Amino acid sequence: KNQVEQSPQSLIILEGKNCTLQCNYTVSPFSNLRWYKQDTGRGPVSLTIMTFSENTKSNGRYTATLDADTKQSSLHITASQLSDSASYICVVSAGRDDKIIFGKGTRLHILP
Amino acid sequence: NAGVTQTPKFQVLKTGQSMTLQCAQDMNHEYMSWYRQDPGMGLRLIHYSVGAGITDQGEVPNGYNVSRSTTEDFPLRLLSAAPSQTSVYFCASSYSAGAGYEQYFGPGTRLTVT
Repeated sequence: KNQVEQSPQSLIILEGKNCTLQCNYTVSPFSNLRWYKQDTGRGPVSLTIMTFSENTKSNGRYTATLDADTKQSSLHITASQLSDSASYICVVSAGRDDKIIFGKGTRLHILP
Repeated sequence: NAGVTQTPKFQVLKTGQSMTLQCAQDMNHEYMSWYRQDPGMGLRLIHYSVGAGITDQGEVPNGYNVSRSTTEDFPLRLLSAAPSQTSVYFCASSYSAGAGYEQYFGPGTRLTVT
């Protein structure tokens, strides 16, 4: 069964600290993996997209990694800011019919 | 460009009432979709459309209808609202249906059914 599991469910860190969010998937055949940021009361916004052959993709202070062998991805946030408080959603697309599977998200709280 | 717009932002319905959630995009995208987002669950696909005049069911289509008469608009109709349809609804669009194309989401409609 195609599944996307994210951890932790929620995370609280102090402003300026780094953090890493995890995404494990059991999707086959794999097409691509996206990380989305969803601010409270808004729709998700794409941060990065990675295909099978890509290991790392950066977008400013956000760096996503992908290990297609272990079917794991991580999103690393450097020097966190208050505006990083949001939910981060891992989304994996499965091959041929391009089925999109959403993770439940990690809720990140940045404290001043 | 306004991107993807949704109206209303909030709505309260009584059980059995019907209503239409509006979605429009001005990016000339062929692919549009509706999702619902419930606490503790990932976004779930309700219906989608790969172009004007073409719609298809997603993962949780029961109780909802859609139509796509123009490229720009993709309304979602609740036929007879039930408390189980209390949720946040997101409309999204992308250039094409392929997984490599980024989806742009609207701001959402928060629906409560009492």
